[in-house]
Amino acid sequence: AQSVSQHNHHVILSEAASLELGCNYSYGGTVNLFWYVQYPGQHLQLLLKYFSGDPLVKGIKGFEAEFIKSKFSFNLRKPSVQWSDTAEYFCAVIGSGGYQKVTFGIGTKLQVIP
Amino acid sequence: GAVVSQHPSWVICKSGTSVKIECRSLDFQATTMFWYRQFPKQSLMLMATSNEGSKATYEQGVEKDKFLINHASLTLSTLTVTSAHPEDSSFYICSARFRGQNTGDTQYFGPGTRLTVL
Repeated sequence: AQSVSQHNHHVILSEAASLELGCNYSYGGTVNLFWYVQYPGQHLQLLLKYFSGDPLVKGIKGFEAEFIKSKFSFNLRKPSVQWSDTAEYFCAVIGSGGYQKVTFGIGTKLQVIP
Repeated sequence: GAVVSQHPSWVICKSGTSVKIECRSLDFQATTMFWYRQFPKQSLMLMATSNEGSKATYEQGVEKDKFLINHASLTLSTLTVTSAHPEDSSFYICSARFRGQNTGDTQYFGPGTRLTVL
């Protein structure tokens, strides 16, 4: 079975600070990895995904994530956060092959202080 | 990205009534859709996988007679909460799977439906 753990449940940063949210997964095979974002009062939106190729993935709004296979990690980063990045961030994984379900992490609530 | 809509966005009903929630993929065909519940301060909980033209697959602990799922077409899945009770009050979210030729599977989420049962 696959699982996802997000270590930081609540992060508070000042504007312009750098962000790194941790995500580790467990799965025995090849995976597709995702970060979703949920802004206050809005629905889940895809921030970025890793399917194959370059392990450094760039997403929308200046976010990026690096897939490190040896560490089973897919950490999300942004060099300089803005107040508008205040949201909840979910890491997710799908095992590749066949039709498999997405497994989500518990989410990290990011609060950016102006 | 692909767009998934849900209707209604919120509903209030009396205990004992049934409520139907629709999930549509607007610009792509989805052979598979998923239904989730989201509790306050918790992650999404998968309830069931809805496959077009066949019966839904329910997760352990989810009553299939309580939460009826129908995937009538490649762009529409419905969730009916039958004989709703206050404990069914929750935020229900659907997602639709898009399978790209060279990009693997991606799930796109609807905006959710807030159900309040009085």
